[in-house]
This record gives sequence, C-alpha cells and structure tokens, in this order.
Amino acid sequence: GAVVSQHPSRVICKSGTSVKIECRSLDFQATTMFWYRQFPKQSLMLMATSNEGSKATYEQGVEKDKFLINHASLTLSTLTVTSAHPEDSSFYICSANQPSGGANEQFFGPGTRLTVL
Amino acid sequence: SQQGEEDPQALSIQEGENATMNCSYKTSINNLQWYRQNSGRGLVHLILIRSNEREKHSGRLRVTLDTSKKSSSLLITASRAADTASYFCATANYGGSQGNLIFGKGTKLSVKP
Repeated sequence: GAVVSQHPSRVICKSGTSVKIECRSLDFQATTMFWYRQFPKQSLMLMATSNEGSKATYEQGVEKDKFLINHASLTLSTLTVTSAHPEDSSFYICSANQPSGGANEQFFGPGTRLTVL
Repeated sequence: SQQGEEDPQALSIQEGENATMNCSYKTSINNLQWYRQNSGRGLVHLILIRSNEREKHSGRLRVTLDTSKKSSSLLITASRAADTASYFCATANYGGSQGNLIFGKGTKLSVKP
C-alpha cells in the first residue's frame, strides 16, 4: 500500500518556540492531505485539510495563525505550530488521500509526538 | 466534530474469544473504515466498507454495515493478545470537504493471554 511518512517522530521544545512537522507521501502524489490531533486517550480530531497549491481549510476552533499549513508540492505538507505552549502538547497525525476505485482511501503517517515544556 | 460513537468504550476478553465492537454515526456516508492503534503509535487501516456493501471479511475480521440504522460492527474472531489495541471507526462523506474522515471515540480492547 501507499506510504506516508512524518518527521520528526518526536519533538520536545520550549514554550514560545515554533515547531515544524513534515508529512510526505512517499510513492504517490497527494493533492489533499489532512492533519489530525490526538490528545492522550482520546480520538483523532481533524484540524485542517491541506490542499496543494491553495490555502488550507481549517476546522472550527482551530487557529489558522497558530497552526500554519503549507502544501507546496504534491508529496509534502508541513504543519508549523507557532509559539507553542504546553497545551499544544499532543500527537499530531497526517494522512494523504489516494483515489482508489472511487473510495479516496486515506493513508496515515506514523504520527509526531510534540511535548512543549 | 466527532460523528462515530463506538461501544463499548472498553472491552476485556480472554485469548481465543471473539470481540465485537459497534459504531454508530449520524450523517450519510460514502464509506466507513476501521482502524487499529496500538498505544502511542500510528493508525493501522484494517478494513473499508462502502455504503452499498453490507458485510466484508478480511482474515479474522468481519465488518457489517447497516445504513438504515447508521451503524457498523467489527468482529474479531479467535482473538490474540496481539490484538490488544484501540479500535476506531471513521466515516467518509465526499459530498462535503474532500473526503476527510470523522473518527469515533474508539474502543479499547484488552485481550488477556
């Protein structure tokens, strides 16, 4: 199946700094990628839909100026958490869409664990 | 926003027993997918069932979908300790926002050896 990678897998940063997370589709082109956040023992919550060559679509309650998304190519989307605070500590997961028999199957990255001190 | 609601929230069984998890959703869907997540790890896609399908099998997994009741079930037969994980259902509706998935809250399955 298609492979999606994320980098880094784990990051610890100081409060107030910015952190960039990369999401790559390794063997297919993805015009659409999704960013999810998962707090401990909770489910995934969609943060935003990343569209190649255009602005991301953010879900209600997600600050677009805090979570900057750039989808500059068909295989790469980045999420930058700006001025991170401890409450931003979470597991961030991306996924990429690959049309498959009309089902638009999503492939998930392994996740990035962000800890803000 | 959350759409799927899994039940039970937690399930503990002995190895060899069957595990059944249910998922209900609220809006119309194109397909419903089940995922597994081991503690602190990424998601593993298990199975996808389309809205016009009623049942699907994959190895020890059996998924049913009842669109009239807006519900799905995941059955794991002859469970193993390695099946211990959280299981999530996720629904896709391509009429809205390009196919993002909406995840349920998950069922935490514990299989005791």
